[in-house]
Order: sequence, then C-alpha cells, then structure tokens
Amino acid sequence: TQLLEQSPQFLSIQEGENLTVYCNSSSVFSSLQWYRQEPGEGPVLLVTVVTGGEVKKLKRLTFQFGDARKDSSLHITAAQPGDTGLYLCAGALPPSSGSARQLTFGSGTQLTVLP
Amino acid sequence: NAGVMQNPRHLVRRRGQEARLRCSPMKGHSHVYWYRQLPEEGLKFMVYLQKENIIDESGMPKERFSAEFPKEGPSILRIQQVVRGDSAAYFCASSSTGVPPPGELFFGEGSRLTVL
Repeated sequence: TQLLEQSPQFLSIQEGENLTVYCNSSSVFSSLQWYRQEPGEGPVLLVTVVTGGEVKKLKRLTFQFGDARKDSSLHITAAQPGDTGLYLCAGALPPSSGSARQLTFGSGTQLTVLP
Repeated sequence: NAGVMQNPRHLVRRRGQEARLRCSPMKGHSHVYWYRQLPEEGLKFMVYLQKENIIDESGMPKERFSAEFPKEGPSILRIQQVVRGDSAAYFCASSSTGVPPPGELFFGEGSRLTVL
C-alpha cells in the first residue's frame, strides 16, 4: 500500500489545456515536495510546501498543501509540450514518526502534453 | 559538472554476481540518500548516510544489500548475489542538511541495473 497516492496515474492532454494532479494520504506530513522527472534522468525539485493551506505559484504551475497537511495538488495552466514528464509528490513525515529523515514518494503521474 | 554524479549509468549482471553503484554528492553536501525505482513506480527510500555513518537504513533489505559513505571517496551501494528482482534504477541524492524536513534533495541521473 502506497503511503502517498497520486492520481491520475497517466494523463494525456492537448497543448493549451489545464490539468490538476492530486497527491493524497491518510498520514500527516510536516512538508511536501513536488518533483518532475524526465526519462533517463533523476527527479528535479519544483517546490516545497510546509504550511497547511499554503499555495505556491511557479509561473503556470500552482501548488497547494491541504489544510490538514495530508494532501496536495498541482495545477498546470495552459499546458505546453515541455511540461511532459513524470510528476512525483514526496512527503516528509513528522519527527515523531521516526522516519522524518527520509522522503516518502508517491507513485507518480505521467503527463503527456500533445502539440 | 557540480551535480550529483553516479556511475555506472547502466550495469548488467548475471544472477549471483555482485553490483557496486557509486555516488559522488554535490560539492559541500555531506548527506547522501539512496532510492530505488521500479518501472512505473515512485522512488522507494533505501538508506540515508552521512560521512562514515549510516543514519537510517530502514528501507534497505537486511540481506545482500549494504551501503557506505567513507571519509574519502564516493558513497557505494553494494548488492551481493543479485537476483532478477534487483533490476531497477537506483538513484542517489545529496543534501546540504539532513535536519528534518530533508530540504532540497539533488538527484543524480541514476544507475540502471539489469540482472539477467
């Protein structure tokens, strides 16, 4: 069972469309990060959110951390082919969990933006 | 290139052989993490090391797998007597701080192990 569930697993859209990717858990995280990974490469950090309800914007990307710090979403406006990639959410559990020093990754959302 | 360097990028081994994967962290980083990624899955934490110390190895199988980060030289993930189920991409990441939350992890390009 995945601690972090991402949906959808696969998403194929046309250039110019909007999309939202979700990252859900029954556990509370002290912080949550979003990474993007391209084929044959390692993940690259996009954003870190640490406060419940926090919203961060990075150009056409909007990231939100749920009020209860159990879930997050990534919204892309006017998607472009260059946005194609595997989007991974990753959470840091609270210090009380004993696993605070490791990041727990979701299974990822493979996004394809067609020109 | 000042990024995280991993080698080899691709490694093919037969069942029963040993695999050694190397990782040189970013300059100035003393915290190293190893993750494993199976096809169409996310990254699974294996081990977190600082120089000469294993801090958290809760994600690493108890048998056949070991990791080290010596005072000098790269971090090494060693898999003895490999089996087909060990075939995966192994990613190393480094950080300037290990204090929770882990902060930004900088990942290498991964080492892809294929066991025949």
